[in-house]
Amino acid sequence: NAGVMQNPRHLVRRRGQEARLRCSPMKGHSHVYWYRQLPEEGLKFMVYLQKENIIDESGMPKERFSAEFPKEGPSILRIQQVVRGDSAAYFCASSPRTGGYQETQYFGPGTRLLVL
Amino acid sequence: SQQGEEDPQALSIQEGENATMNCSYKTSINNLQWYRQNSGRGLVHLILIRSNEREKHSGRLRVTLDTSKKSSSLLITASRAADTASYFCATDLGGSNYKLTFGKGTLLTVNP
Repeated sequence: NAGVMQNPRHLVRRRGQEARLRCSPMKGHSHVYWYRQLPEEGLKFMVYLQKENIIDESGMPKERFSAEFPKEGPSILRIQQVVRGDSAAYFCASSPRTGGYQETQYFGPGTRLLVL
Repeated sequence: SQQGEEDPQALSIQEGENATMNCSYKTSINNLQWYRQNSGRGLVHLILIRSNEREKHSGRLRVTLDTSKKSSSLLITASRAADTASYFCATDLGGSNYKLTFGKGTLLTVNP
């Protein structure tokens, strides 16, 4: 049973380019969460998605950032016109959401974005 | 201060010793989770303790939760060099059952 998969693992972009990060949740999981980790910091919640729905994007910057989780395919976190401050590790997590007031979120290996 | 702050920031011990890490938080929670992160890697879930639980065990791990003090501790017994990693506590902000808030972590180094 493969875990949460993210690609690419490392991504280098120049300022002004677009970054596209992909996340495939664990098999059977229909809920995806994106977090960002700046150097020497803990993870910060960005967005929570279900298939074809954004449930909570309160942690995502209002501009340049967008996320989707289509009916088919991986979840995508898209950063347009990247700036140096976007350099960070971006982690995706998934959960089955079968019930209960919280479930464990299983994290992927992360994508490390470096903006030159 | 942030929700979910770990203490100490760094801890260095010898193999075989026990390691204790603490986490404090500010608002009410439904539960608290501990994760491990090896350098440059993703997070591995260790244990989840619910707000109505006081103690939980998993192998060499023992987690306690004191909701009156808004604190939790993670004890790793008989540490191994492979336990070297950063350890994070994560809390759900009261009312949210999915939005995890992480502290900056405790960097544990276990020397062989």
